Amino acid sequence: DVQVLESGGGLVQPGGSLRLSCAASGFTFSSYAMSWVRQAPGKGLEWVSTLSSSGGSTYYADSVQGRFSISRDISKNTLDLQMISLRAEDTAVYYCARGGRGGRYTFDHWGQGTLVTVSS
Amino acid sequence: QSALTQPPSVSGSPGQSVTISCTGTSSDIGSYNRVSWYQQTPGTAPKLMIYEVSDRPSGVPDRFSGSKSGNTASLTISGLQAEDEADYYCSSHTISSTWVFGGGTKLTVL
Repeated sequence: DVQVLESGGGLVQPGGSLRLSCAASGFTFSSYAMSWVRQAPGKGLEWVSTLSSSGGSTYYADSVQGRFSISRDISKNTLDLQMISLRAEDTAVYYCARGGRGGRYTFDHWGQGTLVTVSS
Repeated sequence: QSALTQPPSVSGSPGQSVTISCTGTSSDIGSYNRVSWYQQTPGTAPKLMIYEVSDRPSGVPDRFSGSKSGNTASLTISGLQAEDEADYYCSSHTISSTWVFGGGTKLTVL
């Protein structure tokens, strides 16, 4: 079965840094685009970042551009999100999501999420 | 990267049909057939219900259907069941190679 499992969330002070990780299993990790999507408490979904299936292209929402960095380790089947200069508005549950099979433009499997709280 | 526009809430009785709209622009919904719909119940991760406007992943009941006209996509749920009560989100890929979500619609089954 396809599984993605996030980790690394926690409480961090404004201006601080945090690194999230997503462990993937049950599929050929290197063949899929992978993304991060977040959800602030009581709010809707917000796309954060995507790494292409080739690993050669990265995409970011304007709200995180220059502060967040997405990467992967194919040998470990993990997707990371390095976050710096964190702000209160970055507080959210961060979901790791797999791109669609065959390059389809969708998010077809989601993890359970990891909570990031930015507060002093 | 403006959010897609969805109605905050819709409701229907068991057995009825409801339609949730999702309005974007010519830079997202209007440019591609890359619209998806997700179902989310409280405390759980989103679940893909529709992709590429109208395709259903395996395991999703055929009561769920999607369509698109111009810059507006729609999700229709027919034969409403109590278990369909959830939040529904649309999303679209954009011409800037980014993604945009709708604000979400809370479906209440009366």
